[in-house]
Amino acid sequence: DTGVSQDPRHKITKRGQNVTFRCDPISEHNRLYWYRQTLGQGPEFLTYFQNEAQLEKSRLLSNRFSAERPKGSFSTLEIQRTEQGDSAMYLCASSSDLGLSGANVLTFGAGSRLTVL
Amino acid sequence: GENVEQHPSTLSVQEGDSAVIKCTYSDSASNYFPWYKQELGKGPQLIIDIRSNVGEKKDQRIAVTLNKTAKHFSLHITETQPEDSAVYFCAASKRSGGGADGLTFGKGTHLIIQP
Repeated sequence: DTGVSQDPRHKITKRGQNVTFRCDPISEHNRLYWYRQTLGQGPEFLTYFQNEAQLEKSRLLSNRFSAERPKGSFSTLEIQRTEQGDSAMYLCASSSDLGLSGANVLTFGAGSRLTVL
Repeated sequence: GENVEQHPSTLSVQEGDSAVIKCTYSDSASNYFPWYKQELGKGPQLIIDIRSNVGEKKDQRIAVTLNKTAKHFSLHITETQPEDSAVYFCAASKRSGGGADGLTFGKGTHLIIQP
């Protein structure tokens, strides 16, 4: 297993266009997260899946954003009608459910950098 | 919600010297504190973590200390090397058992190792 994979690595789009990012987590991980990172800031939580169920969404996730994980494996993050403020690095992370006694250790992908012109 | 403050934002040290990065958190229920290293163009990579039942943890040149009473934790890097140059993030989370247990990150420290 090569870790968490994200595609594309870079995307440049014009304002108003739709974009979609894909994340392939570590195969045995049942938890999947999307984070957004802007320049000079730490990653900010967007949404979380346990298997195929989307269990939590941040207030940062406007109604132009939608995420899916249809079979509990890969996930997609779609941004509709992109705005310049959407320009950021979109990071995917995965982890396994270690039970109540374990810590939730996240492994991040390299990210998909979005530039909205 | 949780709030994590990280200092300094930039730290420049001579190669071979030690570097210390400090973080504070607000939610006393947080019980897991990882540190991530992020190099240019890459995603954050876990370098060390500590759980709330431990006060200190060491892994070769890297150590982390946790003071739960004061709600602060620190990263210590000794004998710094050029490859230590990167942005370091602290984070905090809590094991709720039913929620996302997502991480709340600090804003990062840009560590520069001067040759």
